[in-house]
Amino acid sequence: QVQLVESGGGVVQPGRSLRLSCAASGLTFSNYGMHWVRQAPGKGLEWVAVISYDGSNKYYADSVKGRFAISKDNSKSTLYLQMNSLTAEDTAVYYCAGHSGSYPRGGFDPWGQGTLVTVSS
Amino acid sequence: QSALTQPASVSGSPGQSITISCTGTSDVGSYNLVSWYQHHPGKAPKLMIYEVNKRPSGVSNRFSGSNSGNTASLTISGLQAEDEADYYCCSYAGSNSFYVFGTGTKVTVL
Repeated sequence: QVQLVESGGGVVQPGRSLRLSCAASGLTFSNYGMHWVRQAPGKGLEWVAVISYDGSNKYYADSVKGRFAISKDNSKSTLYLQMNSLTAEDTAVYYCAGHSGSYPRGGFDPWGQGTLVTVSS
Repeated sequence: QSALTQPASVSGSPGQSITISCTGTSDVGSYNLVSWYQHHPGKAPKLMIYEVNKRPSGVSNRFSGSNSGNTASLTISGLQAEDEADYYCCSYAGSNSFYVFGTGTKVTVL
């Protein structure tokens, strides 16, 4: 069945870096645009970044622009999020999600279960 | 881009219908690209409605969406215990802001 599995979360000090991964199975990954969405503790969902199916286009939320980088390796069916200069405000569960439909139409489907990133000294 | 505004909570008895609103600025009304997600805490969110009123395969027809001006709505009819979850709207907001989520609504089945 279709599955997205995030990994790479953990506790990291402010100012340091972390790279998240999202392994996809059960879908033709190279056909999918992909998103990262996060949820801070006790807060709602926040869109973080999107990458086109072939990796040629990338867009970011203002809150992470210049610090985060999204990428995908279609040969490995894996999505990445490189996070630099982390602050406490980046503490959240990070979800990867596929874009179902012709961007920007459609919706975010499927989703992974998320990986927790905690930025703390 | 500010988050879209949703009521913090909505409740209903089994079998009843409830409606969750999602209010934004011009983004909601301009693009008609509003989607809705069901999120049981600790689990993966699930797409329930896309492009205002379209249901993905496998989603119950008890879920329906609509849009009027800058307010989108999700209606759950025949409320069931399994519908108790958090619900988020999301709208495409153009090439500057891309996507904006709503503040989220906790649905309680009494």
